[in-house]
Amino acid sequence: ELKVEQNPLFLSMQEGKNYTIYCNYSTTSDRLYWYRQDPGKSLESLFVLLSNGAVKQEGRLMASLDTKARLSTLHITAAVHDLSATYFCAVDIMNRDDKIIFGKGTRLHILP
Amino acid sequence: DAGVIQSPRHEVTEMGQEVTLRCKPISGHDYLFWYRQTMMRGLELLIYFNNNVPIDDSGMPEDRFSAKMPNASFSTLKIQPSEPRDSAVYFCASSLGRGPYEQYFGPGTRLTVT
Repeated sequence: ELKVEQNPLFLSMQEGKNYTIYCNYSTTSDRLYWYRQDPGKSLESLFVLLSNGAVKQEGRLMASLDTKARLSTLHITAAVHDLSATYFCAVDIMNRDDKIIFGKGTRLHILP
Repeated sequence: DAGVIQSPRHEVTEMGQEVTLRCKPISGHDYLFWYRQTMMRGLELLIYFNNNVPIDDSGMPEDRFSAKMPNASFSTLKIQPSEPRDSAVYFCASSLGRGPYEQYFGPGTRLTVT
């Protein structure tokens, strides 16, 4: 059974700081997704990573995928309050099923 | 495209009543997913469909829950009878094709059962 683990689950940080959220998964996959959820809102797709070494960046967020280590990271550069949200990673178990497995989410709170 | 549409956005009902949640996926998407989100259990996949056919309903909590997809543009999730522990936000999501399976989520239905 595929397991997707995120850490940390909760993170409080100050504006201007850098930090990284980690997403580990337990079986072979080279398709990984990052989503953002604002409080009381739905999930919004941020990044789709489709191969080993893939890197995507948008604004202060950068996501990368290392399929050999079964690890994806979401790096936040010079955090701003608007980035406060819950971030989910999800992994595609590839050819064995048509669904993606979500991690528990990382609740990020950025202090002004 | 309007995105995934869900109705109602909020539902408050009494224990024992039937509840029906509705979803319209993005046009052309052939996968539809129903999720439930609570603080305690996080995001749970309940059931998903491919080309209107249920593929995996192993996440449906019990027989009180049922889901249908009579056509490509409409799906329902029904709870009968409802219980307070069913209170949650229910999301519908859709995706296209055989991968990558990037899913597009609807706004959700917040269900409160008193």
